[in-house]
Amino acid sequence: DIQMTQSPSSLSASVGDRVTITCRASQGIINYLAWYQQKPGKVPKLLIYAASTLQSGVPSRFSGSGSGADFTLTISSLQPEDVATYYCQKYNSAPWTFGQGTKVEIK
Amino acid sequence: VQLVQSGAEVKKPGASVKVSCKVSGYTLTKFSIHWVRQAPGKGLEWMGGFDPEDGERIYAQKFQGRVTMTEDTSTDTAYMELSSLRSEDTALYYCATGSWRLFDYWGQGTLVTVSS
Repeated sequence: DIQMTQSPSSLSASVGDRVTITCRASQGIINYLAWYQQKPGKVPKLLIYAASTLQSGVPSRFSGSGSGADFTLTISSLQPEDVATYYCQKYNSAPWTFGQGTKVEIK
Repeated sequence: VQLVQSGAEVKKPGASVKVSCKVSGYTLTKFSIHWVRQAPGKGLEWMGGFDPEDGERIYAQKFQGRVTMTEDTSTDTAYMELSSLRSEDTALYYCATGSWRLFDYWGQGTLVTVSS
């Protein structure tokens, strides 16, 4: 099975900072990569699919890039409401594996 | 689209649990239901679901033989049954669905506690 590895596991940044999270697949998955945001105590929310397509209603400060095996999620200007754990997920084929998550906090 | 799950469960080791997921706003035949679990303080773990591309229900290897996922299209309700429960199965269980293989919509989660 293809493994999904995120880095870092956690980060702390100031409001307004640019934040980048990396997701690496152990094999190429073309662009079948989604990003989910899970705020504390809440249900996960789909942010980005097809590596770079923003889900409807998601603020434009979020962006995704990459293809093949290396992907990034960028928050261009971190806001207090962005405190959450972010997960990447492959969906090119089963299993629909998630990365281990990246916890984003405000410094 | 709404997914409403059944309530919390407490089970003893070795028992089985069956969680339901009632969908509204669409019919089960249109989307595929997947199940994802999250142990306390841990990440998301995909358990299995229906692949619209292949037309098959697929289970994560870790759960094969212990999990059964079914759907009752007459009541628009999906079910996930997990057997031979152990303490490591204590988790919040989510049903999820959406367009193609994406999870646009999630249930509120069902806490399953396994304890003697």
